[in-house]
Amino acid sequence: TQLLEQSPQFLSIQEGENLTVYCNSSSVFSSLQWYRQEPGEGPVLLVTVVTGGEVKKLKRLTFQFGDARKDSSLHITAAQPGDTGLYLCAEDNYGQNFVFGPGTRLSVLP
Amino acid sequence: KAGVTQTPRYLIKTRGQQVTLSCSPISGHRSVSWYQQTPGQGLQFLFEYFSETQRNKGNFPGRFSGRQFSNSRSEMNVSTLELGDSALYLCASSLDRRTSAMQYFGPGTRLTVL
Repeated sequence: TQLLEQSPQFLSIQEGENLTVYCNSSSVFSSLQWYRQEPGEGPVLLVTVVTGGEVKKLKRLTFQFGDARKDSSLHITAAQPGDTGLYLCAEDNYGQNFVFGPGTRLSVLP
Repeated sequence: KAGVTQTPRYLIKTRGQQVTLSCSPISGHRSVSWYQQTPGQGLQFLFEYFSETQRNKGNFPGRFSGRQFSNSRSEMNVSTLELGDSALYLCASSLDRRTSAMQYFGPGTRLTVL
């Protein structure tokens, strides 16, 4: 059974600070996705990473996929209040279904 | 292009009742997946439909069922509701889950069971 762990569970920072959140799996990913979910809304896909060692950038967000494809990180530079939300990683179970991590709840204070 | 729509957005039911939730995918998308999100268990996969057929099923009891129509709209039904069924129910649409990892979520239906 695939298990995804995310850390930290909660994070509260001031506007302008940098932060990194992590996602780890008990098994090798086929591919991994990161989502952001705001209260009362469904998750919104941020990025899909497939290749070990892959790095993708989306404005102030940098996503990294571990070489062994068992871990991933999301780094946010100069966080803004608009970055507040629940960050979820999800592992693609070879097209069968997605397994989601428990999420990191980020709060960026102005 | 219109996004994924889910109706109703909020629902209050009592134990023992049944409920039907609806999801309209993005036009042209043929795959619809359903998820349950609770504070304790997070996001858990319920089932996936493609071209009116259930292709994958998560680890939920038979009280949870679904179907998909020829226009790709999908419904899920929960019978004999329990307090623990209170959750945000999300659907996600994609062109075809087996060939594309891009899935788009709707805003969800918040179900409260009293």
